[in-house]
Amino acid sequence: QVQLVQSGAEVKKTGASVKVSCKASGYSFIGYYIHWLRQAPGHGLEWMGWIHPNSGGTSYAQKFQGRVTMTRDTSITTAYMELNRVISDDTAVYYCARDSHGTDYSSGFVDYWGQGTLVTVSS
Amino acid sequence: DIQMTQSPSSVSSSVGDRVTITCRASRDISSWLAWYQQKPGKAPELLIYAASFLESGVPSRFSGSGSATDFTLTISSLQPEDFATYYCQQTNSFPYTFGQGTKLEIK
Repeated sequence: QVQLVQSGAEVKKTGASVKVSCKASGYSFIGYYIHWLRQAPGHGLEWMGWIHPNSGGTSYAQKFQGRVTMTRDTSITTAYMELNRVISDDTAVYYCARDSHGTDYSSGFVDYWGQGTLVTVSS
Repeated sequence: DIQMTQSPSSVSSSVGDRVTITCRASRDISSWLAWYQQKPGKAPELLIYAASFLESGVPSRFSGSGSATDFTLTISSLQPEDFATYYCQQTNSFPYTFGQGTKLEIK
């Protein structure tokens, strides 16, 4: 069965970097885009960007350009999201999620989600 | 960015009721719209994609309709497990954006 398993909760100081991993199993990792999204406590969902697991190509929301880097390691079917220079507003649960379509294009619809990783930023 | 506006923000209903949630896009998104259900402490789950296609495994009491700027999610007969928060999402253009959510509560 398709599974996305994320790394554990993180506590970071303002200005630090955080890197979240997402281990995929149960399907062809290179066959589907991986999206990263976040949800601040008590708030709605925010899309951060995607990575094409085969080529490594990325697309980031402009809000995060220059601060986020999405990478992958196909040998261990794992995707990563690194966010730099974090501030208190970056406190959120971060999710990786699989695009529901194959890699000829990203539909943007996500059918499988990781369990979420809580990142807490404190001063 | 495309703004997605859901209404209502919250609704109280009873088991067996028919419920409709609406989502309006700030510009034409064709049928690039999804609906998700989220329960407390859990990741969202995809219910409807491309405005009207039911995701595999989702009960047929859920349905979606609409195109361009106006969309609806309908639950034909509420079940106890349907009380949750629902989000719409547009994927017509970057950045993909979500509505603010509709919390469906038990009356």
